[in-house]
Amino acid sequence: EVQLLESGGTLVQPGGSLRLSCAASGFTFTSYAMSWVRQAPGKGLEWVSSISPSGDTTNYPDSAKGRFTISRDNSKTTLYLQMNSLRAEDTALYFCAKGGLIVGRITKALGYWGQGTLVTVSS
Amino acid sequence: EIVLTQSPGTLSLSPGERVILSCRASQSVSNNYLAWYQQKPGQAPRLLIYDASSRATGIPDRFSGSGSGTDFTLTISRLEPEDFAVYYCQQYGTSPITFGQGTRLEIK
Repeated sequence: EVQLLESGGTLVQPGGSLRLSCAASGFTFTSYAMSWVRQAPGKGLEWVSSISPSGDTTNYPDSAKGRFTISRDNSKTTLYLQMNSLRAEDTALYFCAKGGLIVGRITKALGYWGQGTLVTVSS
Repeated sequence: EIVLTQSPGTLSLSPGERVILSCRASQSVSNNYLAWYQQKPGQAPRLLIYDASSRATGIPDRFSGSGSGTDFTLTISRLEPEDFAVYYCQQYGTSPITFGQGTRLEIK
């Protein structure tokens, strides 16, 4: 059974940093691209980043470029999202998901999702 | 970026009815890499359809997807009580990945 368990969400001040984790199990982690998607309270879904199976290639929308960094530790089957210079508009539930888009290499729908971890950016 | 517009925003229907949800893209979706997700309150999204018309594992056959290019639909042939939720379309063929704003399906 595929399981994705996010952690690390908390209340953080504007300008602060946070690292989210997603522990994966139930599938061959090293074979799949992984992604982060967020959902602001009462709003829709927004893609945040994707990473290739080996971790050598990443992909971000403009809203995340330069502030967010996706990474993975395949030995620990864990996905990460480092978030810096956080703003109030980054307040959201952050989901990790199996699949994603690595331009020219991988194109997969998001087949499994974790339950999310809540990040609140406020003073 | 590719903007996905879903219609209608909200639908009020009764169990047993047939429903067709629409998703229109601002430009052609590469290789019809279009997915549909269902999200219930307090839950993560669940993949229903990928590649425009392929059902994900474990998804009942009352859910079907169709379309190509810029116009896509999700059809639920006969609504069950558990189908009342928010539905999102997503394109994953062109970066950035984008989602529609969602269609809320309510019990009438």
